[in-house]
Amino acid sequence: QEQLVESGGGVVQPGRSLRLSCEASGFTFSDYFMHWVRQAPGKGLEWLTTISDDGDIKYYADSVKGRFAVSRDISRNTLYLQMNSLRLDDTALYYCARRGEGSGGDFDYWGQGTFVTVSS
Amino acid sequence: SSVLTQPPSVSVAPGQTAKITCGGSNIASERVHWYQRKSGQAPLLVLYDDTDRPSGIPERFSGSNSGNAATLTISRVEAGDEADYFCQVWDNESYHVVFGGGTKLTVL
Repeated sequence: QEQLVESGGGVVQPGRSLRLSCEASGFTFSDYFMHWVRQAPGKGLEWLTTISDDGDIKYYADSVKGRFAVSRDISRNTLYLQMNSLRLDDTALYYCARRGEGSGGDFDYWGQGTFVTVSS
Repeated sequence: SSVLTQPPSVSVAPGQTAKITCGGSNIASERVHWYQRKSGQAPLLVLYDDTDRPSGIPERFSGSNSGNAATLTISRVEAGDEADYFCQVWDNESYHVVFGGGTKLTVL
């Protein structure tokens, strides 16, 4: 059964860094594009970044481009999100998700999320 | 890039039909996906590519996409359908993913 488990969230001061992980199981990790999405308190879903199945192609939302970096380790079945220069408005629940089988770029499996609080 | 507009809230009585819209310029040219997010749970894909249901999603969930609006229709609404619903597209011009602002479905 497909499963995604995020970890690495916590409380961090503004300007500092944090790395989130997302461990995949129950499917062939190297066959799928993967994404990071977040939801700030009281707000909607915000897409952050997408990485191709082989890791060669990466897309970023304007809000995080230059500060966040996505990567993946096929040998560990793990997706990462390196977050630098964190700001107060980066406080959110961070999800990883798998690109689905549809032709239009849906997300078919999501993790439960890991919460990041940026606070001084 | 796309901007997707959803009503903040929709209310419906049990057994009735709920319609949640997702507005966007010429959205009919995009493939729209819908997610259900219940409190404390991960988002769940309920429709993809406008009208297709993933395995395990009841037939009560259906979709359409025409002109400047896509619609998620939930027939015979149940208390368990109460959740936030989000639409989503992949913008082929900017290579960005866009989510609608979300609609809170309340079952009266």
